[in-house]
Amino acid sequence: EVQLLESGGTLVQPGGSLRLSCAASGFAFSSSAMTWVRQAPGKGLEWISAISGGGEATYYTDSVKGRFTISRDNFRNTLYLQMSSLRAEDTAIYYCAHTARVQGLSRVWNYYGMDVWGQGTTVTVSS
Amino acid sequence: DIQMTQSPSSVSASVGDRVTITCRASQGISSWLTWYQHKPGRAPKLLIYAASTLQSGVPSRFSGTWSGTDFTLTISSLQPEDFATYYCQQANSFPWTFGQGTKVEVK
Repeated sequence: EVQLLESGGTLVQPGGSLRLSCAASGFAFSSSAMTWVRQAPGKGLEWISAISGGGEATYYTDSVKGRFTISRDNFRNTLYLQMSSLRAEDTAIYYCAHTARVQGLSRVWNYYGMDVWGQGTTVTVSS
Repeated sequence: DIQMTQSPSSVSASVGDRVTITCRASQGISSWLTWYQHKPGRAPKLLIYAASTLQSGVPSRFSGTWSGTDFTLTISSLQPEDFATYYCQQANSFPWTFGQGTKVEVK
């Protein structure tokens, strides 16, 4: 069974740092791109970061660029999100997700969304 | 960044109704548009990708169409389990972006 289990969410003060983890099982983690998505209280979903299977390519939304770092340990089948300089507006449920792909006619892989999600971990930034 | 604008923000409907949700991209994204269903306290669920391809296991009452930068999710006959919030998401270029969501509520 494909499973993703996030951990590390907690209450942290503004300006603080936190590392989220996502333990993966049931699929070929090292060949799978992975994504972090968050949902602030009363708000919609926000895509924040993605990483390629080997970790060589990373992507971020502007609001977290320079403050958050996505990484992975393919030996431990674990995805990470290192968060620093945290702000109140970073308060949210953070989801990790498997990034789905489909092979096109030219045999190029096209990534299109998140097909397996964890249950989320809650980060609260407050003094 | 590509902006995704969904409408309406909410819709009140009854079981059996046909429900249509629209998503407009601020620039061309080809057909790289994905739809999700999200219920409170649960993980989001991928419904449709590449604008019109149904994800495995998703009921056929869900369908997607597109024309240019306008995308539509249709639920042909709303079922009790379909009351939820629906999001579109573009996968044409990073950073990927979601629409603001459409809440389907009980009329």
